[in-house]
Amino acid sequence: AQRVTQPEKLLSVFKGAPVELKCNYSYSGSPELFWYVQYSRQRLQLLLRHISRESIKGFTADLNKGETSFHLKKPFAQEEDSAMYYCALRYTGNQFYFGTGTSLTVIP
Amino acid sequence: SAVISQKPSRDICQRGTSLTIQCQVDSQVTMMFWYRQQPGQSLTLIATANQGSEATYESGFVIDKFPISRPNLTFSTLTVSNMSPEDSSIYLCSGYGTENTEAFFGQGTRLTVV
Repeated sequence: AQRVTQPEKLLSVFKGAPVELKCNYSYSGSPELFWYVQYSRQRLQLLLRHISRESIKGFTADLNKGETSFHLKKPFAQEEDSAMYYCALRYTGNQFYFGTGTSLTVIP
Repeated sequence: SAVISQKPSRDICQRGTSLTIQCQVDSQVTMMFWYRQQPGQSLTLIATANQGSEATYESGFVIDKFPISRPNLTFSTLTVSNMSPEDSSIYLCSGYGTENTEAFFGQGTRLTVV
């Protein structure tokens, strides 16, 4: 069965410090992974997806099939990065399986 | 990406009653889904809303409790029936366009059952 694990429910970093939000997955097929973000009082929205290999708002994420990980990284955290982050796996039928989320707080 | 309008945004309901949540997409989408997000937990898929036919429910969710309609490619409803306090949650609808687009979400409906 597919599974997405985000081990940290809460993560606090100081402004300007590097940040890494961890995500591990379990899936027997070819994985397609995403990071979604939910800012306070806003809807859930896509941050980035692994197939695009892009950097959005300074965030990057590399799919590591050997370690079955898709960690989200940013070298210098900003206050506006404070939000809830969800790692998600798209599987057969185009359904998404979401991790439990990590609440990131960037301390000024 | 498309925009989903979901309503109501929140409601407080008496136990034993039913609430219907609506989602309207501003363009045609291939697939629509309904999720539940209970306090402190992640999103759990309730069902896939199929256009013109019965929804496909995930394990633990049944049509009698969560009837879903999808009369066309831009609109879907989820009804939470015979509510109990355990149904208090955020309900989200989601749309998915083509193979290479991401899923996008409505604003969510925060339901409190008293």
